Amino acid sequence: AQKITQTQPGMFVQEKEAVTLDCTYDTSDQSYGLFWYKQPSSGEMIFLIYQGSYDEQNATEGRYSLNFQKARKSANLVISASQLGDSAMYFCAMREDIAGGTSYGKLTFGQGTILTVHP
Amino acid sequence: DVKVTQSSRYLVKRTGEKVFLECVQDMDHENMFWYRQDPGLGLRLIYFSYDVKMKEKGDIPEGYSVSREKKERFSLILESASTNQTSMYLCASSFLTPSGKSYEQYFGPGTRLTVT
Repeated sequence: AQKITQTQPGMFVQEKEAVTLDCTYDTSDQSYGLFWYKQPSSGEMIFLIYQGSYDEQNATEGRYSLNFQKARKSANLVISASQLGDSAMYFCAMREDIAGGTSYGKLTFGQGTILTVHP
Repeated sequence: DVKVTQSSRYLVKRTGEKVFLECVQDMDHENMFWYRQDPGLGLRLIYFSYDVKMKEKGDIPEGYSVSREKKERFSLILESASTNQTSMYLCASSFLTPSGKSYEQYFGPGTRLTVT
């Protein structure tokens, strides 16, 4: 079973508008972490934002916010005021924490969503 | 800034060749990872290492091996390259907190390997 699902292969948004990229996850662990990464056409992976499963507040980093709905097992990325430079592939990822141990930080990634920002 | 470097950006090899992909990080991170990225499949974990000489299989280890003789260096080895190993290979590292948690991974620029 897929542990991380990104159902939007591609998304389009007008410059200066907000966009939401969807991510749902599947885990039976109580402790886990959720990440979003950006991959521009140059190929490098850029860390954007992190949400811990016990964090009560939604994470925010500048124009990025993570809409964390634990009961629904969703961790959507919201980009406000889109810019042309936001055009990239976006990946959602999850770290599962082994009870009483460590997962060594292994991440499971979704398939990715290609975001295109139109001027 | 954390820096993760990979030995090559582009590599072309022939079927059956032994291929070495090198990764070096400069932040004294305990954990290092090798992923391959294919369209529509996202990133898939091949192997990871949480200490020198320690390694664990990821989700798709078949056809690959790894070596970690020094903390800063993690090598991915394709013992006998095949065309289905044509892919983008990404190396990453992360540190381990005293509580055993690990947070963001820092990625190298990737190696695009073509096996003909």
